[in-house]
Amino acid sequence: GESVGLHLPTLSVQEGDNSIINCAYSNSASDYFIWYKQESGKGPQFIIDIRSNMDKRQGQRVTVLLNKTVKHLSLQIAATQPGDSAVYFCAESFSGGYNKLIFGAGTRLAVHP
Amino acid sequence: GAVVSQHPSWVICKSGTSVKIECRSLDFQATTMFWYRQFPKQSLMLMATSNEGSKATYEQGVEKDKFLINHASLTLSTLTVTSAHPEDSSFYICSALAGVETQYFGPGTRLLVL
Repeated sequence: GESVGLHLPTLSVQEGDNSIINCAYSNSASDYFIWYKQESGKGPQFIIDIRSNMDKRQGQRVTVLLNKTVKHLSLQIAATQPGDSAVYFCAESFSGGYNKLIFGAGTRLAVHP
Repeated sequence: GAVVSQHPSWVICKSGTSVKIECRSLDFQATTMFWYRQFPKQSLMLMATSNEGSKATYEQGVEKDKFLINHASLTLSTLTVTSAHPEDSSFYICSALAGVETQYFGPGTRLLVL
């Protein structure tokens, strides 16, 4: 099924704190997952990806965790900065799916000084 | 990194007119591009897959005669919204497939139909 967002949940954090953004994906056959950051009026920007043969992947200040058992994906941002304020989307795809991405509903991250 | 551009970045048109949006991969070739639509405070919805040299593949519920897609070269795909109406007002975003599965997104085109 497809995930369609009718509203955007908001996560408010203090600058310097760690942020955790969660995503429930829809297709148990999905084997590739990506997190995107979208600032107002701009296109999505790639943050980090993970394949289904992994449980965790780390980047610079970001970590993605994948729990295939419950079809759950999370993005952890360490030492959140004001520049991290944006809407974050998870996306999923599966082999044989013609590289189509299905986007989650999105979460707005608001970082307060 | 791979860069994708869109033109125009925003457009205002009268109801009943047609609008063309361009999507270009600037530093790589893309045999496959995708077109998405995003309404305010909502997620991206895939409209169609654009394949170089062949017909586009449309998602269920997307009118192919209304949203014309042409992918005439390895670096350019165009989306034409024909006979636009106010309900077509939205943020249109393209992406280009680089390599096997990585999609790079354009900055989006905001369409307002009066």
